[in-house]
Amino acid sequence: NAGVMQNPRHLVRRRGQEARLRCSPMKGHSHVYWYRQLPEEGLKFMVYLQKENIIDESGMPKERFSAEFPKEGPSILRIQQVVRGDSAAYFCASSQGQGRNEQFFGPGTRLTVL
Amino acid sequence: GNSVTQMEGPVTLSEEAFLTINCTYTATGYPSLFWYVQYPGEGLQLLLKATKADDKGSNKGFEATYRKETTSFHLEKGSVQVSDSAVYFCALSTSGNTGGFKTIFGAGTRLFVKA
Repeated sequence: NAGVMQNPRHLVRRRGQEARLRCSPMKGHSHVYWYRQLPEEGLKFMVYLQKENIIDESGMPKERFSAEFPKEGPSILRIQQVVRGDSAAYFCASSQGQGRNEQFFGPGTRLTVL
Repeated sequence: GNSVTQMEGPVTLSEEAFLTINCTYTATGYPSLFWYVQYPGEGLQLLLKATKADDKGSNKGFEATYRKETTSFHLEKGSVQVSDSAVYFCALSTSGNTGGFKTIFGAGTRLFVKA
């Protein structure tokens, strides 16, 4: 049973470009969470999604950031017009929901904005 | 609101020393409590968990007991190894009304173990 998969593992973008991060949850998991980790800091919750629904986006910046989890395919975190401050590691986690609250994390995507 | 506070690092120990990383929480209701570990360049891995008061989670020699009276979940290990060097995150999880859970993480404590 494959774990949570994220790609790319490393992403380099110039200021103003778009960054698109993908997350495939564990098989059987219908809940996806995105977190951001700045260097030497803890994890900050960004957004929680179930299939085709955003459940909680209280941690998402109001502008330039969006997330989706379509019926088919991976969850996507999209950052438009990236700035240097967006440089961070972005982690995806998934869980079964339905009473099982353990989250399984992917290896992360390290975004560098030049 | 819910929050997690853990001791600041870095913590530097010699091999075979005793480890304690303190964690306290604030939460409404009855959260589940977790310790996650992050090795350099990797994502977080669940180390152990406890779902109700007085439960003890344990794994790989690490232990933590859910203390509701002191709202704490301190991580301990009797004899650390160099390979335990990592960042440790305390976390709590509370249920939402949609079947999923929201997890709140502490800031992390970096552990260095010297040979």
